[in-house]
Amino acid sequence: DAKTTQPPSMDCAEGRAANLPCNHSTISGNEYVYWYRQIHSQGPQYIIHGLKNNETNEMASLIITEDRKSSTLILPHATLRDTAVYYCIVRGGATNKLIFGTGTLLAVQP
Amino acid sequence: DAGVTQSPTHLIKTRGQQVTLRCSPKSGHDTVSWYQQALGQGPQFIFQYYEEEERQRGNFPDRFSGHQFPNYSSELNVNALLLGDSALYLCASQEGQFAYEQYFGPGTRLTVT
Repeated sequence: DAKTTQPPSMDCAEGRAANLPCNHSTISGNEYVYWYRQIHSQGPQYIIHGLKNNETNEMASLIITEDRKSSTLILPHATLRDTAVYYCIVRGGATNKLIFGTGTLLAVQP
Repeated sequence: DAGVTQSPTHLIKTRGQQVTLRCSPKSGHDTVSWYQQALGQGPQFIFQYYEEEERQRGNFPDRFSGHQFPNYSSELNVNALLLGDSALYLCASQEGQFAYEQYFGPGTRLTVT
């Protein structure tokens, strides 16, 4: 599985968009980009995933560069409840295991 | 609709002892994975069960074993506990062996003294 690189921490003002970057320069053609988040003292929560096209759901948007070597998770209007560790994960279609790194701690400030 | 549930919530054991952790998957899910999360680290994949068989395994010693029951619930067993086994143990369930989304439970906090 490809490795990912994320900044250890980021701040965001409440109500503003939070843009979380992720580098995955060794990603293979059949590997998906997944994002999960983990709020303190809870299990990880699935946010979104994509292969090569940009994706949007009720929680966030995922922007994947054309060469697929990096991606950005966008939370359009961050709230205090979005404070969490955000994990970017690259996963092949034939495997089930999620390989978590240390993620980005997003702190949403009032 | 109940999500993934795990028991117990917290557990304290002594080095050398054995422990069993339990997981009930989300309704409709038939596949269960277990992860270990040390303090300050991301979760590490232990293994996955589907159709009552271990299908994939991470880099964990044989002291870590599991079981899946016909109702899809699962147990994680750890023998000969070490201090380094202290961690949050997470269970995740999904519908089908290769589903996109895994749903995680709240975890069991194991402390080995």
